[in-house]
Amino acid sequence: ILNVEQSPQSLHVQEGDSTNFTCSFPSSNFYALHWYRWETAKSPEALFVMTLNGDEKKKGRISATLNTKEGYSYLYIKGSQPEDSATYLCAFSNDYKLSFGAGTTVTVRA
Amino acid sequence: KAGVTQTPRYLIKTRGQQVTLSCSPISGHRSVSWYQQTPGQGLQFLFEYFSETQRNKGNFPGRFSGRQFSNSRSEMNVSTLELGDSALYLCASSPVKGASSYNEQFFGPGTRLTVL
Repeated sequence: ILNVEQSPQSLHVQEGDSTNFTCSFPSSNFYALHWYRWETAKSPEALFVMTLNGDEKKKGRISATLNTKEGYSYLYIKGSQPEDSATYLCAFSNDYKLSFGAGTTVTVRA
Repeated sequence: KAGVTQTPRYLIKTRGQQVTLSCSPISGHRSVSWYQQTPGQGLQFLFEYFSETQRNKGNFPGRFSGRQFSNSRSEMNVSTLELGDSALYLCASSPVKGASSYNEQFFGPGTRLTVL
């Protein structure tokens, strides 16, 4: 069992504010780290797949960083909007399967 | 392209019954993975199929099985249902082998199974 931990479990953000949260994963046998966004009543949607230590990826107002040596990744949301409300899942890959964290649920208040 | 589809979307069964869930991947995708989500748990990997072969399996009892057809459609079967099998079952497809590494997963909407 691969322990992938996400914190915090949930957070509330005021519209316009920026926020970030963490994904911790085993630092050994690393292949890739995935981030997904899961909105209520929809399917999880891939945000990023990160493979290299020091990787930084960006999609619009959302960005992520990766530290494979210490086993963590941060996801940042800049200038949060109500449509950013979702559960953000990270998943660690050891080649043949994805091990998911329990997610961070973000609620953006207008 | 049409997305990943899963049928049925909702299902109610009683303990001891069996159930079959279906997943149609995105056209051209040959890898299909299945996941289970129960309240408070992250997505748990069940198994992955590629080219009609089960390549990998998670830590689930033998009551959980699956198969993949030549058109890449996949089915998952759960026999002798238990109350704890109540969950959202998601399938995900990928264009290449392996639910891993550099390959993002494209998820379906899920099948909500309730066992009474």
